[in-house]
Amino acid sequence: QLQLQESGPGLVKPSETLSLTCTVSGGSISSSSYSWGWIRQPPGKGLEWIGSIYYSGSTYYSPSLKSRVTISVDTSKNQFSLKLSSVTAADTAVYYCARQSGTWGSDYWGQGTLVTVSS
Amino acid sequence: QSALTQPRSVSGSPGQSVTISCTGTSSDVGGYNYVSWYQQHPGKAPKLMIYDVNKRPSGVPDRFSGSKSGNTASLTISGLQAEDEADYYCCSFAGSYTFVIFGGGTKLTVL
Repeated sequence: QLQLQESGPGLVKPSETLSLTCTVSGGSISSSSYSWGWIRQPPGKGLEWIGSIYYSGSTYYSPSLKSRVTISVDTSKNQFSLKLSSVTAADTAVYYCARQSGTWGSDYWGQGTLVTVSS
Repeated sequence: QSALTQPRSVSGSPGQSVTISCTGTSSDVGGYNYVSWYQQHPGKAPKLMIYDVNKRPSGVPDRFSGSKSGNTASLTISGLQAEDEADYYCCSFAGSYTFVIFGGGTKLTVL
């Protein structure tokens, strides 16, 4: 059974860079059939897609976050990572990693990790 | 690009059917058969219920069905059960610039 697990600091200071890693177990991240994505959910609000990456390194980002987002993949560790720079309180959210099919449905999700931006 | 439009809330009694709509544009919902639906219980990760407009992943009850007409997609839940009470989100591919867009979410209450 495929499992995804987010990890990283739960508290980030304003203007700094948020960094999270998603570890994939029970399957290989090196599949051309799937991309690996990040989705976030501010407290009490809806879901927002951040971006996705294929194992080859091809990336796709939300236009509204593109200038601040970097997603990378480490196939040797079966992990992919998110970096979001110049964070503000508006970036406070639960961050999920997920596997996405070729038609962009997300069939496996991590449990989510709350990241709070505060000094 | 704005979020897809969903009703804030819907409700139904056990055994009844409810339909949740998801309205977009010809650039997203209307332009591609790549609409998915997610169920989210409080404090939990979203769960994929429908993909590619009307396909059900393994393990999802056939009480859940999806459809699309023009720029509006719909999720229908028949034979409502108490455990169906949750938030539901639609999602669509929106082209090679925006890529993925979500709806604002609908809270389903089982009366």
